[in-house]
Amino acid sequence: GEDVEQSLFLSVREGDSSVINCTYTDSSSTYLYWYKQEPGAGLQLLTYIFSNMDMKQDQRLTVLLNKKDKHLSLRIADTQTGDSAIYFCAETVANDYKLSFGAGTTVTVRA
Amino acid sequence: GAVVSQHPSRVICKSGTSVKIECRSLDFQATTMFWYRQFPKQSLMLMATSNEGSKATYEQGVEKDKFLINHASLTLSTLTVTSAHPEDSSFYICSAEDRDTIGGRQETQYFGPGTRLLVL
Repeated sequence: GEDVEQSLFLSVREGDSSVINCTYTDSSSTYLYWYKQEPGAGLQLLTYIFSNMDMKQDQRLTVLLNKKDKHLSLRIADTQTGDSAIYFCAETVANDYKLSFGAGTTVTVRA
Repeated sequence: GAVVSQHPSRVICKSGTSVKIECRSLDFQATTMFWYRQFPKQSLMLMATSNEGSKATYEQGVEKDKFLINHASLTLSTLTVTSAHPEDSSFYICSAEDRDTIGGRQETQYFGPGTRLLVL
């Protein structure tokens, strides 16, 4: 999806925080999602945020949404080796349930 | 939590044959299911939206006669790749939409584990 952009790679040391960034273009986005994909597997929904919220926290995950700048981020606290995966940002827009995905950010956790 | 299964998980077939992939929502009813295709190291590309009891809606550039979709029940959608060719080799992922309202409207897609198709 050219409407959703992400950086392609992120390398982080085990125990540090990871921050994955995403930008989108459609101002009518209703929900924004973060999905995790491990090698050879489907997508696992990690968390989502409604567009009228600016922050959501769920255990080690913190989602920040800057609607003015159309910027979404996912922070993973205390990153573990099991967090190594591809993370996809996605959006749905008003009156349409289709998901538009970014290209995915490959997160590599090093010891 | 919502679980979506796909069968088979991987399939190898000869060029010219047809392959059917099943997508099931195991613990919820899904009036809408989606079929995606993912090439190596790329994002998911939506192929079609499947609504129970009606014809699927295909995205631009996706051949409806090539990729037949049937959504016969609230828990099952099938994708049939007809007369498969090597360029159809890919990872096919389905998702099912759970529109249950839990303390407010929640529109979430849950994904199956994917089916890897290799056409020789």
